Amino acid sequence: QVQLVQSGAEVKKPGASVNVSCKASGYTFTKYPVHWLRQAPGQSLEWMGWINPATGNTKYSQTFQGRITISRDTSATTASMELTGLRSDDTALYFCARGGIPLWAYWGQGTLVTVSS
Amino acid sequence: DVQMTQSPSSLSASVGDRVTFKCQAGQDIKNNLNWYQRKPGKAPKLLVYGVSNLDTGVPTRFNGGRSGTDFTLTITSLQSEDTAVYFCVQYNSLPYTFGQGTRLEIK
Repeated sequence: QVQLVQSGAEVKKPGASVNVSCKASGYTFTKYPVHWLRQAPGQSLEWMGWINPATGNTKYSQTFQGRITISRDTSATTASMELTGLRSDDTALYFCARGGIPLWAYWGQGTLVTVSS
Repeated sequence: DVQMTQSPSSLSASVGDRVTFKCQAGQDIKNNLNWYQRKPGKAPKLLVYGVSNLDTGVPTRFNGGRSGTDFTLTITSLQSEDTAVYFCVQYNSLPYTFGQGTRLEIK
C-alpha cells in the first residue's frame, strides 16, 4: 500500500533552517511528483512546491521562492523540503503528498515545525 | 492567483440530512478541482477529484458537481462520521489554491 512517512517534529529558532523528509513506499517513486504543503494555525492549507523525482525538476510557490529547496534521493525513495530564514509565521504543520492523477490522494502524516525564540 | 471562495464557513445538520458546500472560482478552472475532508489530527483525505469522480472507497453519498465557475460537494444522508472540515482546491494553474474550508457539525 502507498505510504508517505515524514520525519518528526522540529523546534527551531528564528533565522534557522528546517529540513523535513518524506519517505515513500508502495509505489514506483519516480513515477509521481511529490508536493509539499503546509497549514499554519487558524489558516487554510498552502501549497509550497513540488518535485519530479524522475528528473529532479522543481516548481515553487512565489511565496517561498528563495527560501525553499525541495530535493529527492531516488535510491532512498525520499523527498525532502528545506525552508531557510525561518520566522514565527512559518510555524505550521507541513505535509508531503503524492501528485499525479488524482492529485494528493496520498499524504504524509504531517510534521509540526515550531519557530520560537 | 486563482481565488477560491468557499461557503458556508460552518454548517450544523442532523444525521440523514442532505448538505451542500460550495466553492466559487475567480476564473475558469475547467474541471481541475478536488474536494477533501479533514478530521482533527489527521491528514486530509481525498473525496472527489476532477469535480465529480469519487476516490476509491469513498461512499456514494458524496457527490461533486459544477456549473461554470461554481463547484459543489453534496453529502446526501449525512452520517455521524461525516463531522469534519471540507475544503476544495483548484489545480488548473499554479499556485494551487484552496477554499477556506467548511466546518460541518452533526447535531
